[in-house]
Amino acid sequence: KAGVTQTPRYLIKTRGQQVTLSCSPISGHRSVSWYQQTPGQGLQFLFEYFSETQRNKGNFPGRFSGRQFSNSRSEMNVSTLELGDSALYLCASSLLGTNNEQFFGPGTRLTVL
Amino acid sequence: QKEVEQDPGPLSVPEGAIVSLNCTYSNSAFQYFMWYRQYSRKGPELLMYTYSSGNKEDGRFTAQVDKSSKYISLFIRDSQPSDSATYLCAMALTWNAGGTSYGKLTFGQGTILTVHP
Repeated sequence: KAGVTQTPRYLIKTRGQQVTLSCSPISGHRSVSWYQQTPGQGLQFLFEYFSETQRNKGNFPGRFSGRQFSNSRSEMNVSTLELGDSALYLCASSLLGTNNEQFFGPGTRLTVL
Repeated sequence: QKEVEQDPGPLSVPEGAIVSLNCTYSNSAFQYFMWYRQYSRKGPELLMYTYSSGNKEDGRFTAQVDKSSKYISLFIRDSQPSDSATYLCAMALTWNAGGTSYGKLTFGQGTILTVHP
């Protein structure tokens, strides 16, 4: 069974630009969660989508948004990039949600210059 | 104060040693407790998952949960160089509202472990 895939794996942007990251969950999984990982803050929850609806959201500004498509693939968007947005963005899929086992993708390493 | 506290280490042990990794938490509403392992440049992978106090064993790994003390541990027996990674504890709570199930997963900072031959 194919794992969680994320594209692109690496991205370099400049301040003020916007970026879209993509996540394809494991086949049959309906829940997709996004996390930001930085050395200082660790892994922080961004949001969770289930059946195309945002079900939960972390404490991030509105510049961070996401969506989920009918095939459960998900995208997250960050607008007006700031230097502090440089991080590893991880996507995790699960069958039903956060109380189920979550499978993580390899992440997208975003660098903002 | 963070909801989940984990000693970041780094922790360096010789091959064959028993490793003890620990997390404390403040939110008594957490219901599920997990340990993830993350190798460099990879996403975290689930090692252990439990929802009750007590011990759970899987091969060389034992997860221990003490809800009364709000403390969880992961023990690695006969540690190997391939165990060198960052270990993250994670805790989840779920709730229902308006017929919809919600969940929140909170991670510790991660402990960097190196097992040297």
